[in-house]
Amino acid sequence: ILNVEQSPQSLHVQEGDSTNFTCSFPSSNFYALHWYRWETAKSPEALFVMTLNGDEKKKGRISATLNTKEGYSYLYIKGSQPEDSATYLCAFRMDSSYKLIFGSGTRLLVRP
Amino acid sequence: EAQVTQNPRYLITVTGKKLTVTCSQNMNHEYMSWYRQDPGLGLRQIYYSMNVEVTDKGDVPEGYKVSRKEKRNFPLILESPSPNQTSLYFCASSFMGLDEQFFGPGTRLTVL
Repeated sequence: ILNVEQSPQSLHVQEGDSTNFTCSFPSSNFYALHWYRWETAKSPEALFVMTLNGDEKKKGRISATLNTKEGYSYLYIKGSQPEDSATYLCAFRMDSSYKLIFGSGTRLLVRP
Repeated sequence: EAQVTQNPRYLITVTGKKLTVTCSQNMNHEYMSWYRQDPGLGLRQIYYSMNVEVTDKGDVPEGYKVSRKEKRNFPLILESPSPNQTSLYFCASSFMGLDEQFFGPGTRLTVL
């Protein structure tokens, strides 16, 4: 059974703090790693799809890195704002598979 | 507006009463998928479809059926719902199945 783990489960930070969280996935047969942002009462929205070892992607204050050899990805948020409060999901896709396996998410709360 | 729609958004039903949750996308996407979300478990894939008339099981297919007769529609069928199928359901689509997924608004199902 393939396992995707995210840590921490939840995180409370103060507005302006920078933060990061981790997604761990199987290091063999890697195809892609997705990050999604899921706000309460809304649908998950894609942040990044990463495919290459060493890949770094950025969208505004949010960035992500990927290490496929050791099986982890980091998501960074610089200068957190209350509107960043959401659950951040990562999802792993194995080579030659159309299945997407999600982690259980990191719930971020940014206090004003 | 590019979107994935689901109906109904909320449904309360009783054990054994067949139901269908519809999903439709207007982006001409090849790939569509159904997920269920339960507290602490993240999103789990039920079924997915790579194209018309092509479907495959995800990680939790038991008790569900799907069909893909048209590219835009991917209904989820519960022939005999049971209380353990009480969950939040999301439909998603993507262009070729290997890129970012676009999620519908979700359907909250309660089976009594």
